[in-house]
Order: sequence, then C-alpha cells, then structure tokens
Amino acid sequence: LAKTTQPISMDSYEGQEVNITCSHNNIATNDYITWYQQFPSQGPRFIIQGYKTKVTNEVASLFIPADRKSSTLSLPRVSLSDTAVYYCLLDSGGYQKVTFGTGTKLQVIP
Amino acid sequence: DAGVTQSPTHLIKTRGQQVTLRCSPISGHKSVSWYQQVLGQGPQFIFQYYEKEERGRGNFPDRFSARQFPNYSSELNVNALLLGDSALYLCASSLASGSIYEQYFGPGTRLTVT
Repeated sequence: LAKTTQPISMDSYEGQEVNITCSHNNIATNDYITWYQQFPSQGPRFIIQGYKTKVTNEVASLFIPADRKSSTLSLPRVSLSDTAVYYCLLDSGGYQKVTFGTGTKLQVIP
Repeated sequence: DAGVTQSPTHLIKTRGQQVTLRCSPISGHKSVSWYQQVLGQGPQFIFQYYEKEERGRGNFPDRFSARQFPNYSSELNVNALLLGDSALYLCASSLASGSIYEQYFGPGTRLTVT
C-alpha cells in the first residue's frame, strides 16, 4: 500500500488560512486522495476527496499537482472548533482497504 | 437520518475472553468497514463487508472475525483477547464498495482489556 507523510502537528491563529500538505510519492494510478477530520473520542469525518487538480466544497479545498505526488488541504479562516487531527489517505478503487497514517494534529489558537 | 450506531459504547474485558461489537450502518448503506484505533495512532483497517461478503481484510490475526447480516448490520468478534487489543473500534458505512464513496464513521466502541 502506498504510504502518506504529513507533518505531525501544526499551530494556527483563529481566522487564518491553514494549509496541510501530504506527500504520497508512490501513489497509484487508481488512487483517490481523501482527507478526514477527527475530534477526540469520535470517529473520523470525511472532509474532501479528489483525484487531480483542485476540488472545493463548503468546508475546504484540495489542491493536487499534476504529478499527484503530494496534495494540500486548505482550510479557510480556521476557528477554535477546527482543532482536530487531520488524516490524508489514499483509497484505491474496489475494496476500501484504506490506510490512515498518524495524521496532523492542528491546534487553533485564539 | 440516524448516523452509524455502535454498541456498546465502552466495555472492559479480561485477557483470554471473547468480545462481540455491533454496528448498524446508515439506512441504505450496504458496505461496512471495521477499524482499530490505538491511542495516538490513526485507524487501522480490519475488515470490509459489502452485500454480506468479505471484500477486504487488513493485517490482523485470525482471532478477529466479522460478519454482515441481511439488514447490513455487522458484528466484529475478537477471541482470546490480549492487552494489545485495547483500542477504539470504529465502524464505517458507505453506499457501496469503492473509493469514490465516502465513509461515515460511528462513534466507536472503547474496549479495555485488563
């Protein structure tokens, strides 16, 4: 299974834009890139998924360069409630044998 | 609509015992996956079931087994519990088996093995 690498932790002030980058040098052709958010003692929550270029939804944007060896999750104007662990993972088609890494712990500071 | 539900919320077992965890997917979802999350780590994939058939298995010993029922609910069984099995067990459901379908996670069952 292809591996992902993310920063272990990040701090940001409220109201700032946060960009979390994930490296996946060995991404396979049929891999989608998916990001999840997890609060303590809760299950992960889907944020966004993409295959290439840019994807945007109501909570985040996902930027994927042409070589797809990395991706960047962008959270606009974070608030204290965005403090959580963010996971980048690769998900190939067929069976959902997805692999979560250790994630990035985002701490939003007032 | 109700989300994914799991039971029990917490339980404590002794080494060597057996445990059964239960999961009810979101209505209309036919795929259920199980994950183990040890404190401080990301969830690790255990099983995926779709239409009552096992579609994926992670790197877990045969002490772990699961099944999916006709109503798409699922059970995860763990035999001969070890201290290292202490973790949050997460169930996730999705519409179908495939990467384009987002997974909806339940709140988890916190298992403590003493």
